[in-house]
Amino acid sequence: QKEVEQDPGPLSVPEGAIVSLNCTYSNSAFQYFMWYRQYSRKGPELLMYTYSSGNKEDGRFTAQVDKSSKYISLFIRDSQPSDSATYLCAMSDTGNQFYFGTGTSLTVIP
Amino acid sequence: ETGVTQTPRHLVMGMTNKKSLKCEQHLGHNAMYWYKQSAKKPLELMFVYNFKEQTENNSVPSRFSPECPNSSHLFLHLHTLQPEDSALYLCASSPPRAYEQYFGPGTRLTVT
Repeated sequence: QKEVEQDPGPLSVPEGAIVSLNCTYSNSAFQYFMWYRQYSRKGPELLMYTYSSGNKEDGRFTAQVDKSSKYISLFIRDSQPSDSATYLCAMSDTGNQFYFGTGTSLTVIP
Repeated sequence: ETGVTQTPRHLVMGMTNKKSLKCEQHLGHNAMYWYKQSAKKPLELMFVYNFKEQTENNSVPSRFSPECPNSSHLFLHLHTLQPEDSALYLCASSPPRAYEQYFGPGTRLTVT
């Protein structure tokens, strides 16, 4: 069983739509949860991080963590063509080892 | 230069060659990482350095040899690689809050 499961997509939405990206995990010791965005031919860029359970909002982005279900989500409101990228979830227990999902490819159509 | 830089951006090498990848961070961070990114696979953490000391080595084959001469520079020395080692190699650094990693653009490695 993989540590982190993420639907690779691809996901295609019209501009202005609400996007929901999700990951599930198996290790209950994970307590740091991150979302990265990766544009083509670039390295991943940290978007959001959350410690333990709860919600965190930053502009059009909202990250949710449900530790009881071992499920995390990233919501993108009012999606823009510039949001087209691959979104990676990542998790850590100690802060020294990091486990990534395979990434979800998102295209926002103008 | 700002952020995390990596050179070269692209590298093609034969299985008998020896080459090195270079990473430099200009962020004043104390931890640096090497990752391997292959198509349709999660990022694989290879090595972790904290204050120039290697703290993690995730069962990486010995044909990959890291070097961290100071907290701003990280190298990955490559020798007798296999075609399955072809991938994007990413370097990252982080401040004391280890979850906050900053990635370089990567080196696209092709082993022929």
